[in-house]
Formats: sequence, structure tokens, C-alpha cells
Amino acid sequence: KNEVEQSPQNLTAQEGEFITINCSYSVGISALHWLQQHPGGGIVSLFMLSSGKKKHGRLIATINIQEKHSSLHITASHPRDSAVYICAVRLLGGGSGGGADGLTFGKGTHLIIQP
Amino acid sequence: DAGITQSPRHKVTETGTPVTLRCHQTENHRYMYWYRQDPGHGLRLIHYSYGVKDTDKGEVSDGYSVSRSKTEDFLLTLESATSSQTSVYFCAISESGSWVKGYTFGSGTRLTVV
Repeated sequence: KNEVEQSPQNLTAQEGEFITINCSYSVGISALHWLQQHPGGGIVSLFMLSSGKKKHGRLIATINIQEKHSSLHITASHPRDSAVYICAVRLLGGGSGGGADGLTFGKGTHLIIQP
Repeated sequence: DAGITQSPRHKVTETGTPVTLRCHQTENHRYMYWYRQDPGHGLRLIHYSYGVKDTDKGEVSDGYSVSRSKTEDFLLTLESATSSQTSVYFCAISESGSWVKGYTFGSGTRLTVV
């Protein structure tokens, strides 16, 4: 059974710090997603990765398929970045093992950026 | 706006009563999903739909049923609510079942069963 592990579970940092959130998974995947869930509950997609690196504004996501590991980085963090960050993977073949849609979600990393 | 709305946003109900949550989309996406989110767990799939009247079970489907009579609406029903079904429920829509072409989550429904 595929497991998706995120670390840390909770992270509190000061405004301006460089933030790294990690995601590890145990089986082969075709894609990895990073999502953001703000207080109040709304969930939005940040990135979808199958290799390499993607950047959007102050957010950078990387993935190492061989090591089964992805990181989400936030540069020059700001209190508005406070949210839960969720990693989700889609299994190779997209079939069962992580839900009928083939997606397995991590438990999330709760990030607080203090002014 | 967001193209997907959930109703109600909050609901408190008594054990044993039936409850229906609604997910409505204006994007004409083929795929619709119901998830629940609980502390200590990642999002878990309850049921999903790949077209009108085409639905299938997810990993935590016991105690839930769904219906999709129109492209835009996906209903989740708790036939007889139990306290273990207290959760936050999210609907999601996707153009493709592979989630490659983009997907959107609803704002969630917080359900409390007392």
C-alpha cells in the first residue's frame, strides 16, 4: 500500500524565513501534486510535478523520482502563507491502491508564519 | 466564480437521521468526487462519478451513497448519520480522471452528528 509521509507535521517560522516542506512516498508514481488549504478550508492546487522543478512566484516545488521525494519551498515567507500544505500522489497506472481515483493524500503540514 | 459550490456549508444533525450534501458545478467537468477530511488523516475518497449515472466507491464508502442525475450535480447521502461521520466533506471536480488537466475543490461542508 502506498504511503505518503509529510514532514514536518507542524512548522512555525518568522516572516522572511525560507521554508521547506517535505513529501516522501513508497511506490512508483506518475505525478505528484502540492495543494494549499487556507484557514476556512478552501483547497487550491499549487503544482503538479512528474519530474524536475517548478516555480510560481515565491513557491518552488521539486521532485526526485528515484528517491521518491518531493519538496515544497517558500522563499521570503509571509504571514499570508500560513496554511496547511498537502502532498498527493497519483500511482503509476492510475489504478487502485490509493483510492479509486489513484490519488493518495498526505496528512498535511500546518505552517504558521509569524510577523 | 469558482465553478463549484457545496451546500450546506455547515450542518448539525442528529444520529440516525438522513443527510444529503450537494455539490454543484458550472464547469461541465466529467469527473466529480466526494472526500472527507479528518484530523490525523489525509483526504479520503468516499465516492466518485465519471459521468451521469456513473458512480463508483472509494476507500471509505460504507454508510454513504451518491447520485448523479445531471452533469452539474453530485449528491452525497448519509442514509442514517452516525457520530463517526462527523467530518468536513469536500467535493472536487476534474476534467480528466488523471487530474492532469486541472481540478477544483469546493469550499467544504462541516457536518456534525450529535
